[in-house]
Amino acid sequence: KAGVTQTPRYLIKTRGQQVTLSCSPISGHRSVSWYQQTPGQGLQFLFEYFSETQRNKGNFPGRFSGRQFSNSRSEMNVSTLELGDSALYLCASSRGQGSNTEAFFGQGTRLTVV
Amino acid sequence: GENVEQHPSTLSVQEGDSAVIKCTYSDSASNYFPWYKQELGKGPQLIIDIRSNVGEKKDQRIAVTLNKTAKHFSLHITETQPEDSAVYFCAALDQAGTALIFGKGTTLSVSS
Repeated sequence: KAGVTQTPRYLIKTRGQQVTLSCSPISGHRSVSWYQQTPGQGLQFLFEYFSETQRNKGNFPGRFSGRQFSNSRSEMNVSTLELGDSALYLCASSRGQGSNTEAFFGQGTRLTVV
Repeated sequence: GENVEQHPSTLSVQEGDSAVIKCTYSDSASNYFPWYKQELGKGPQLIIDIRSNVGEKKDQRIAVTLNKTAKHFSLHITETQPEDSAVYFCAALDQAGTALIFGKGTTLSVSS
């Protein structure tokens, strides 16, 4: 059974640019959530999607956005990149309903903003 | 909102010893508490979890205990091995059931 796949694995962008990250969840999982991991702040929740609807959003500026497609694949976008956006961006998938809350993470996309 | 505190931040043990990592949470409505292991260059791996209707759960050398009254939960690893060396994160699922709130992590080093 394939796990959560995130692409690309590594990205280097310049301040002011925008970036799109992709996540393919485990087959049958309809919930995709995104997290930012930095040495200083640890793992922080960005947003969660279920059946193409955003159900929850963390405390991040509007430059961070996402979407989910009908096949449950998800993308997140960061516009007007800042140096502080450099981080490991992790995607997690789960069945997302009732007691089916086990979340499985991908390997992440390492974003470096220069 | 939910807040999760994790201690210690670093833990060094000898191979074969036990290791214990403790977490506290603030929202009494939280009912799901997973633990993740993250190795260098990899994403977090779910290793064990516990729900609020259970006090303890074991899986081979790993166990998790939950004290709902005190809002504490702990990870216990027995007979530690060098391959247990990693960063361990505790988490609590928020009230909405859609966001994991993580502790800051514990770096476990097991020396042989």
